Amino acid sequence: AQSVAQPEDQVNVAEGNPLTVKCTYSVSGNPYLFWYVQYPNRGLQFLLKYITGDNLVKGSYGFEAEFNKSQTSFHLKKPSALVSDSALYFCAVRYNNAGNMLTFGGGTRLMVKP
Amino acid sequence: DTEVTQTPKHLVMGMTNKKSLKCEQHMGHRAMYWYKQKAKKPPELMFVYSYEKLSINESVPSRFSPECPNSSLLNLHLHALQPEDSALYLCASSPPTSRVNEQFFGPGTRLTVL
Repeated sequence: AQSVAQPEDQVNVAEGNPLTVKCTYSVSGNPYLFWYVQYPNRGLQFLLKYITGDNLVKGSYGFEAEFNKSQTSFHLKKPSALVSDSALYFCAVRYNNAGNMLTFGGGTRLMVKP
Repeated sequence: DTEVTQTPKHLVMGMTNKKSLKCEQHMGHRAMYWYKQKAKKPPELMFVYSYEKLSINESVPSRFSPECPNSSLLNLHLHALQPEDSALYLCASSPPTSRVNEQFFGPGTRLTVL
């Protein structure tokens, strides 16, 4: 079965510093991985996805993610955090051979302090 | 139009009430999803419709009844709910092709069952 894990419930970072939100995956077959962000009382917004090709994926709002096959990881990164980046972040993996259905990680709350 | 809309934004209902949640998209997506999300938790998949037909029901209680009247609309009919059903209900859509595509989420309906 496909699954993703987000080992940190919360990540704290100072504004202007680089941020990393971690995600590891367990899949059979090719991994199709996604990052979403959720602001309070809102739906999920798509940030980026990895399908194949370049291991560094660039997404919305200056975020990027690095796919690492040997470490089965897909960490979300941003060079310089903004206070407005404070939100709940979800890593997700597509169900195997099941359209575009997703399994989500438990979520990581990112707190960026001024 | 790259938006998924959901109405109402908030709903308070008693355990004997009957109500409906509505979701709409005009992106030509032929897969639509209902999720339930508890506070600070990842979304849990409830139902998947593909080409207006129910393709996935994740063992959801019968007090939740989905309906897909056409390719743009998705409803969730609610009857005899329990207080533990209080949650954010999210709708999403995606192209149901063999290509890997992200899901587009609506803002959600915040449901409170008294």
